[in-house]
Amino acid sequence: QSALTQPPSASGSPGQSVTISCSGSSSDVGGYNHVSWYQQHPGKPPKLMIYEVNQRPSGVPDRFSGSKSGNTASLTVSGLQPEDEGDYYCSSYAGSNNCVFGTGTRVTVL
Amino acid sequence: QVQLVESGGGVVQPGTSLTLSCAASGFTVSTHGMHWVRQAPGTGLEWVAGMWHDGSNKNYADSLKGRFTISRDISKNMVFLQINSLRAEDTAAYYCARDIRQWAFDFNSWGQGALVTVSS
Repeated sequence: QSALTQPPSASGSPGQSVTISCSGSSSDVGGYNHVSWYQQHPGKPPKLMIYEVNQRPSGVPDRFSGSKSGNTASLTVSGLQPEDEGDYYCSSYAGSNNCVFGTGTRVTVL
Repeated sequence: QVQLVESGGGVVQPGTSLTLSCAASGFTVSTHGMHWVRQAPGTGLEWVAGMWHDGSNKNYADSLKGRFTISRDISKNMVFLQINSLRAEDTAAYYCARDIRQWAFDFNSWGQGALVTVSS
């Protein structure tokens, strides 16, 4: 199972929006509505930010939103804040009780 | 509150075996799917293995099948990952993660990770 493709980096100024893509195939992203997004700060474990494409766990700001079109999912962070800086990973159910993560995107708040 | 604490990591020689433990609190491991995810130094996340909430099914990443075994002890509310024939490429932080539901591959709680270094 190949990793989902994400851009290595993304950036924006405080208050701006940034969108991260996550490209897969019909065997994973395109085939299921089980796409999640995780935020990871250095030296810390990942934190679930979005699940089932566009659902936010309690406590996650509504600045974070998710969507999907075909084989590509997207995470948008609106109104960027300094604490949003970090690594972001997507993941998707890949059938046969397997899961695949994305390659990761480092978000920089300028 | 929900807490996951991994233990059992360290420096190990190639070819040996290791068992990682994950102690859960704030919930019971029989109500949620439980998983192991690893992250090699400076790289991304890789799902390793998962167990259904009722223990009826255990699944492994296709590339890792055969050397990894996930198990649990409900009486101790713990989950384990045994790794056999360790290789240098198994060097990673191993995270224990709780599924948001019985089996959904949405990991809403994570431990701090157990670092495994395979080196002679």
